[in-house]
Amino acid sequence: GAVVSQHPSWVICKSGTSVKIECRSLDFQATTMFWYRQFPKQSLMLMATSNEGSKATYEQGVEKDKFLINHASLTLSTLTVTSAHPEDSSFYICSARSLEGAGLQETQYFGPGTRLLVL
Amino acid sequence: GQNIDQPTEMTATEGAIVQINCTYQTSGFNGLFWYQQHAGEAPTFLSYNVLDGLEEKGRFSSFLSRSKGYSYLLLKELQMKDSASYLCAVLDSNYQLIWGAGTKLIIKP
Repeated sequence: GAVVSQHPSWVICKSGTSVKIECRSLDFQATTMFWYRQFPKQSLMLMATSNEGSKATYEQGVEKDKFLINHASLTLSTLTVTSAHPEDSSFYICSARSLEGAGLQETQYFGPGTRLLVL
Repeated sequence: GQNIDQPTEMTATEGAIVQINCTYQTSGFNGLFWYQQHAGEAPTFLSYNVLDGLEEKGRFSSFLSRSKGYSYLLLKELQMKDSASYLCAVLDSNYQLIWGAGTKLIIKP
């Protein structure tokens, strides 16, 4: 299957700093990428949908000025957590949409996740 | 509203077979996914069903009935490494993934 990478895998930072997380589709082009957040023992929560060359679509309750998303190319999307605070500590996961096969079956492939700890 | 239901937790014995059910009510349907997630890791893709019927892939099989809004994931010859959460997700009419809360599968020797 297709491979999606995320960098970094672990981030520990001080409160008030900004953190950038990169999501790359390594062997396919992804016009659409998704950013999720997962708190311990809870389900994945979609934060935003990132479309190449246009503004991201944020889910209700997600602050667009706090979670900046840039999808500058077909293989790279970035999520920047601005002025991070302890409550932003979470597991951030990206996924990339891939259309495969003659029938253009849609599948999402997930990155390995980035664990953010804000002190 | 949109809703996906799956059991919270299931227990099975190593070497046995287990079936994890998922029922859904969504605005539109463009396919159903099953993902496996080990603790502390991102989900990994297991299967995708868009037509009714059974899709078999090794020890794992997934079934879909669109008229009943129902799917199941069947795991055969269970191994200890199969202990994980199994997430059911439906692609709705806007091509957004609607996630179930996941089923925690515990495998006992």
